[in-house]
Amino acid sequence: QVQLQESGPGLVDPSETLSLTCTVSGGSITNYYWSWVRQPPGKALEWIGYIDYRGNTNYIPSLKDRVIILVDTSKNEVSLKLGSVTVADAAVYYCARVRGSTNNQYFDSWGQGKLVIVSP
Amino acid sequence: SYELSQPPSVSVPPGQTASITCSGDKLGDKYTSWYQQKAGQSPVLVIQENRRRPSGIPDRFSGSKSGNTATLTISGTQPVDEADYYCQAWDTTTAVFGGGTKLTVL
Repeated sequence: QVQLQESGPGLVDPSETLSLTCTVSGGSITNYYWSWVRQPPGKALEWIGYIDYRGNTNYIPSLKDRVIILVDTSKNEVSLKLGSVTVADAAVYYCARVRGSTNNQYFDSWGQGKLVIVSP
Repeated sequence: SYELSQPPSVSVPPGQTASITCSGDKLGDKYTSWYQQKAGQSPVLVIQENRRRPSGIPDRFSGSKSGNTATLTISGTQPVDEADYYCQAWDTTTAVFGGGTKLTVL
């Protein structure tokens, strides 16, 4: 059974770049899409974007200018970089595997989440 | 931007049926998924492709759709089902989650 583990700094300074890594174990990273989803404290889930194993990406328009998602198939890792962070970016960040076909996709496996606080 | 609307909260006595709705423009033309999130835990997929249950999800969970409203139904609700529930659909290439519904079993 695939397992996802997020890692990275839990505290980021305002205006700096948030960097997280999702390590995938128990399965290959190829042939799937991988997403990042975040959840501010007490609020709803918000999709950030996805990447496939070839490196093709798609991002939510509101973050498109600040976000990069990368994949490293040799390490079975997906990474997230979000630049120029503000307190509004404080959230639990989840990575999730995407299954299904075009227009019929769902998130079938999730990591345990990484809480990121934005504070000087 | 595309939005999915859910009631903020639903309460149900143990053993009864809980229904959580999710509505959105042209949702009838899209596939809906549902996720359960218990306090302090990661989301878990409970319904995919409108009505299919993933392996390991109890059969008391079911999904349906009528027009532009999707519904998650929990039959014989148990205290262990108390959680936040989120619907999700795709607006072309953007995934959208509903605002979430807090299910209380009391």
